[in-house]
Amino acid sequence: GAVVSQHPSRVICKSGTSVKIECRSLDFQATTMFWYRQFPKQSLMLMATSNEGSKATYEQGVEKDKFLINHASLTLSTLTVTSAHPEDSSFYICSARDQFGQGASYEQYFGPGTRLTVT
Amino acid sequence: GENVEQHPSTLSVQEGDSAVIKCTYSDSASNYFPWYKQELGKRPQLIIDIRSNVGEKKDQRIAVTLNKTAKHFSLHITETQPEDSAVYFCAANLPGTASKLTFGTGTRLQVTL
Repeated sequence: GAVVSQHPSRVICKSGTSVKIECRSLDFQATTMFWYRQFPKQSLMLMATSNEGSKATYEQGVEKDKFLINHASLTLSTLTVTSAHPEDSSFYICSARDQFGQGASYEQYFGPGTRLTVT
Repeated sequence: GENVEQHPSTLSVQEGDSAVIKCTYSDSASNYFPWYKQELGKRPQLIIDIRSNVGEKKDQRIAVTLNKTAKHFSLHITETQPEDSAVYFCAANLPGTASKLTFGTGTRLQVTL
């Protein structure tokens, strides 16, 4: 089945530093990946849609200069949290669709998530 | 955009009983409705999904029903087991947007012995 990986799984950083999270589709190609943020006991909130070879599309209220997204290949998207602050501490999850797979499936495959703690 | 509401927020059932979780959506153009199970600290896992051209879908103990007219869909779990305890999220897509998903607020299901 389609597999999405994320790295790192956990990261602790100091306030003011930047953190990069990688999302990879391991056995399929994805022109589009999605980045979500999930606070404790809350739902997944879509932050942005990552598009291979073009600029990401951000949801309302998400600062594009703070959450930099790069989708340089069909299997890799990165999210960089710049100048992180304690309120950015959250569970960040990416997902991808296997758009070239069988039957134009709508299914999104989720990465295992990255727990970011900013001290 | 799409708005998805989910009820109840918590649900406690005894082992062997059935559990039902309900969601409503706002955009009549949505045509894909997945359900995810998420255990603490883990990724959401797709347990069942339904497209708008189907009214019901079943997979062993899990079923989903869709009422397009009323814009609501429900998850039914029969013969619940302790391992069904988790948080369940419904979602709806928005066609023409690379099918990005809007998630419900989640239901914490607790199956007691």
